[in-house]
Amino acid sequence: EVQLLESGGDLVQPGGSLRLSCAGSGFSFSTFAMSWVRQAPGKGLEWVSSISGSGDTTNYADSVRGRFTISRDNFRDTLYLQMDSLRAEDTAMYYCMKGCGGSCYRLDDWGQGVLVTVSS
Amino acid sequence: EIVLTQSPATLSLSPGERATLSCRASQSVGRHLAWHQQKPGQAPRLLIYDASARATGIPARFSGSGSGTDFTLTISSLEPEDFAVYYCQQRSSWPITFGQGTRLEIE
Repeated sequence: EVQLLESGGDLVQPGGSLRLSCAGSGFSFSTFAMSWVRQAPGKGLEWVSSISGSGDTTNYADSVRGRFTISRDNFRDTLYLQMDSLRAEDTAMYYCMKGCGGSCYRLDDWGQGVLVTVSS
Repeated sequence: EIVLTQSPATLSLSPGERATLSCRASQSVGRHLAWHQQKPGQAPRLLIYDASARATGIPARFSGSGSGTDFTLTISSLEPEDFAVYYCQQRSSWPITFGQGTRLEIE
């Protein structure tokens, strides 16, 4: 059974930084692309970033490009999202997602989510 | 950016009725369209991928159809647990985008 367990959410001040982690289990982590999707309170879903299985290829939403960095450690089966220069509009539940192959960015499995709140 | 427009915004039906949800793309996405269901307080879950393939464990009453720019999610006979928000999502080109959602509520 695929399991995705996010951690690292917190309350942070505007301009601050935070790193989210997502531990994957139940599948061969390094052979699947991974993504982050977020949902602001009471709002819809917004794709944030994706990374290939090897980690060589990354993509970002315009709203986070230059501020967020996606990475992965295939030895630890863990996905990361480094978030810098945080803004109030980054407040959201962040979901980790597993793709359908190394370069297949279908959003197949959802984690339970982790809450990030940006506020002074 | 490909914009996905879902209709209706809210759909009010009764258990046992048939639900038809629409998703229109601003340009062709081929068959790279998925549907996700989200219940209150829960993470979403994948229902349909590649326009018409049911994800693992999804009941047969859920079906998807369409290609190009027009897609439909059909729930053949609504069960009480089906009342939720449904999102379509494309992966044909970057950025990945979602529709704004259709809320399926009990009439």
